Amino acid sequence: SAVISQKPSRDICQRGTSLTIQCQVDSQVTMMFWYRQQPGQSLTLIATANQGSEATYESGFVIDKFPISRPNLTFSTLTVSNMSPEDSSIYLCSVEEGQGAGELFFGEGSRLTVL
Amino acid sequence: KQEVTQIPAALSVPEGENLVLNCSFTDSAIYNLQWFRQDPGKGLTSLLLIQSSQREQTSGRLNASLDKSSGRSTLYIAASQPGDSATYLCAVFQGGKLIFGQGTELSVKP
Repeated sequence: SAVISQKPSRDICQRGTSLTIQCQVDSQVTMMFWYRQQPGQSLTLIATANQGSEATYESGFVIDKFPISRPNLTFSTLTVSNMSPEDSSIYLCSVEEGQGAGELFFGEGSRLTVL
Repeated sequence: KQEVTQIPAALSVPEGENLVLNCSFTDSAIYNLQWFRQDPGKGLTSLLLIQSSQREQTSGRLNASLDKSSGRSTLYIAASQPGDSATYLCAVFQGGKLIFGQGTELSVKP
């Protein structure tokens, strides 16, 4: 399976600031996904990021708050903008492998705490 | 709208017991179903993937079954060990994305 690295692994941020999370994959993948896991909750999909096209956002998530870049087949970034304490979560990058088999693999996540 | 439910929410067992975790989903039109393990503060580790045409998958002490028509999956863990303590998440792949259950928090006591 692909090796997925996320940076930062954790950070403490001030209200009103923005933070960019990086996701690096050791192989080329078509589909990358960004998930959020709020404290004590399960995972919720933020958006799907395919190389060469605009990210597709799920209901409740908007590009101004969570801008995403996907410059190539091995890298993506998620920015959490104008953060508030409600944005304190683990943010996870995920990739699909298997040529449409739909098996997803996840990075270790980025734990953000907003004060 | 697809909803994935996992029962129980938490489970505590003594070491050596066999156990079953349950997952149900409301819409049977799924592409596949995946079981994950999540350790506290960590990312997800894929355990088993069952395609919609399959009935079960096995990996070591783990066995996952899928009954798509009834919207159910089970994860069977044989001879549980303290190292199995973690949260187990079930997710169905539908509409190009994974939809997760709330997870079962498993504690295996020595």
